[in-house]
Amino acid sequence: EAGVVQSPRYKIIEKKQPVAFWCNPISGHNTLYWYLQNLGQGPELLIRYENEEAVDDSQLPKDRFSAERLKGVDSTLKIQPAELGDSAVYLCASSLVYSTSTDTQYFGPGTRLTVL
Amino acid sequence: AQSVAQPEDQVNVAEGNPLTVKCTYSVSGNPYLFWYVQYPNRGLQFLLKYITGDNLVKGSYGFEAEFNKSQTSFHLKKPSALVSDSALYFCAVRDPANLGGYQKVTFGTGTKLQVIP
Repeated sequence: EAGVVQSPRYKIIEKKQPVAFWCNPISGHNTLYWYLQNLGQGPELLIRYENEEAVDDSQLPKDRFSAERLKGVDSTLKIQPAELGDSAVYLCASSLVYSTSTDTQYFGPGTRLTVL
Repeated sequence: AQSVAQPEDQVNVAEGNPLTVKCTYSVSGNPYLFWYVQYPNRGLQFLLKYITGDNLVKGSYGFEAEFNKSQTSFHLKKPSALVSDSALYFCAVRDPANLGGYQKVTFGTGTKLQVIP
């Protein structure tokens, strides 16, 4: 079974430029998460989708960040414009069903963003 | 609010010795607890979880963790460390009683495990 796929793995951009990250979850997983991981820190949730609905986006900086999960499968996270402080690893995770105790999250390899 | 603490930034252990990575938590109800491992330039990999039942939970790669409600702890253990166990370990908690907070999973800051040959 294929795991969570993310692309690109690495991205270097100038500040004020736009950037987009893509995630394809494990087949059949209804719930998709985007996390931000700063160096030396644990992941922090940005947004959670149940199917195509964003059910928790309270930590998403909506002035510059946006996300979509059309058709309830793969998802895109966008930053426009990027700032120096956005340099971090962006992790995508998926789980089968959020509302039960069996909702172990499976993580992709992440996208390491460097903003110059 | 739920929280999880990993008091040690780094743990060093000699290969073949037992290892313990500490985790304590704070929730209002009975917690769901998780351990994940992260190798360099990789995403987090699930190791084990405690939901209910036996306080000793066995997971992948020979790891186990003991849930201690009175001490609000969920320490990760392995009887004999391998050099390949060297990685970053994250403890995480979810409070199923937190009906208004979407029951999000909160991760600790991570503990770097260094197994010395």
